[in-house]
Amino acid sequence: DGGITQSPKYLFRKEGQNVTLSCEQNLNHDAMYWYRQDPGQGLRLIYYSQIVNDFQKGDIAEGYSVSREKKESFPLTVTSAQKNPTAFYLCASSIASHSGRMNTEAFFGQGTRLTVV
Amino acid sequence: AQTVTQSQPEMSVQEAETVTLSCTYDTSESNYYLFWYKQPPSRQMILVIRQEAYKQQNATENRFSVNFQKAAKSFSLKISDSQLGDTAMYFCAFTNRDDKIIFGKGTRLHILP
Repeated sequence: DGGITQSPKYLFRKEGQNVTLSCEQNLNHDAMYWYRQDPGQGLRLIYYSQIVNDFQKGDIAEGYSVSREKKESFPLTVTSAQKNPTAFYLCASSIASHSGRMNTEAFFGQGTRLTVV
Repeated sequence: AQTVTQSQPEMSVQEAETVTLSCTYDTSESNYYLFWYKQPPSRQMILVIRQEAYKQQNATENRFSVNFQKAAKSFSLKISDSQLGDTAMYFCAFTNRDDKIIFGKGTRLHILP
């Protein structure tokens, strides 16, 4: 089945440690996204990528890093510089506008709940 | 910069009633897509309905319909004959040719038995 997979579902991190969240898709989508969800804040864009080896900062990129070495994968690293990393993280993918079509739907993973202990 | 605003943080309606969720957005673009996503307690995001800005006809998906007012930059969602399974967070979202997808803060909808 085609879809987008995030792992792990729950993640615990000690203060001062970096941690990497995985996101894989087999939908052949060019565009991939990382969002952070906090109560009352909606989904805030961290980073997005329209094509392999390229990505753009979203609204809250500080303290996060990403890579896009493969079309299928868009891992997110939460660094020790992120002051309040405890949150629910959602990864998404979609077609990209350079395909000649507008982005008509984003598909989401199940999310990763990160807790700093 | 594009923004999406949902002015109703929380709403409650009785089962079988009709409810309308509000969304306004700001953009200087002429073509774009607007979406409503549903996030039930499982937290899985589900597309409810989408609307292309160039299409004047309001989108409809079964009990879900939108009122798209392009000049007013308004995109409300109407849920008819509401069901207990409609209880969820609802997010309005916007995207254009830069592929950036911007979400509002959401409306928590409770359907009461």
